[in-house]
Amino acid sequence: GQQVMQIPQYQHVQEGEDFTTYCNSSTTLSNIQWYKQRPGGHPVFLIQLVKSGEVKKQKRLTFQFGEAKKNSSLHITATQTTDVGTYFCAGPDTNAGKSTFGDGTTLTVKP
Amino acid sequence: DGGITQSPKYLFRKEGQNVTLSCEQNLNHDAMYWYRQDPGQGLRLIYYSQIVNDFQKGDIAEGYSVSREKKESFPLTVTSAQKNPTAFYLCASSTTSGQYNEQFFGPGTRLTVL
Repeated sequence: GQQVMQIPQYQHVQEGEDFTTYCNSSTTLSNIQWYKQRPGGHPVFLIQLVKSGEVKKQKRLTFQFGEAKKNSSLHITATQTTDVGTYFCAGPDTNAGKSTFGDGTTLTVKP
Repeated sequence: DGGITQSPKYLFRKEGQNVTLSCEQNLNHDAMYWYRQDPGQGLRLIYYSQIVNDFQKGDIAEGYSVSREKKESFPLTVTSAQKNPTAFYLCASSTTSGQYNEQFFGPGTRLTVL
């Protein structure tokens, strides 16, 4: 079945440093979604990328979708303590009507 | 958030008892999902439903059961057959039409089996 892998599993940064998490799928994706889960909370949708090579920005967050539509990345510039949490990517398994989530990257930020 | 409610927030049960977790949405979404999350782990799909009166097993369905009698509701029963039921359970919903089908998650239920 479809597999979605994320690295790294954990990332500890000093406030102000940059952060990147990478997502790789075993199959070509029609789109990829990113979610953020704050500690003790539930996942919240951040963005969806659809086109090959697409780049989208949300303030300090930059999302990229690979040319082959099998990988994606989330980059945070100048991290802040409000960025802490676990970031998940998810790829649709359109034939099955569900999505496969990566295991997430947990970001901690030292003030 | 997003019109999905899960109750209760915390649930304690004795080993060997069945327990049913509630999930209700008022977003008019066709699809609903149940995930299990263990500490420091990702989201594992238990069951999902694309339409009323139909549902499919996810990756870890053993020891769980669901029903989808109404569009708004997708309750999950954790049976005594589930060997390690203590976990954080998340319900989600989404549309099934169009290009953007992001999932909206409920606040979750933390189940502890004593």
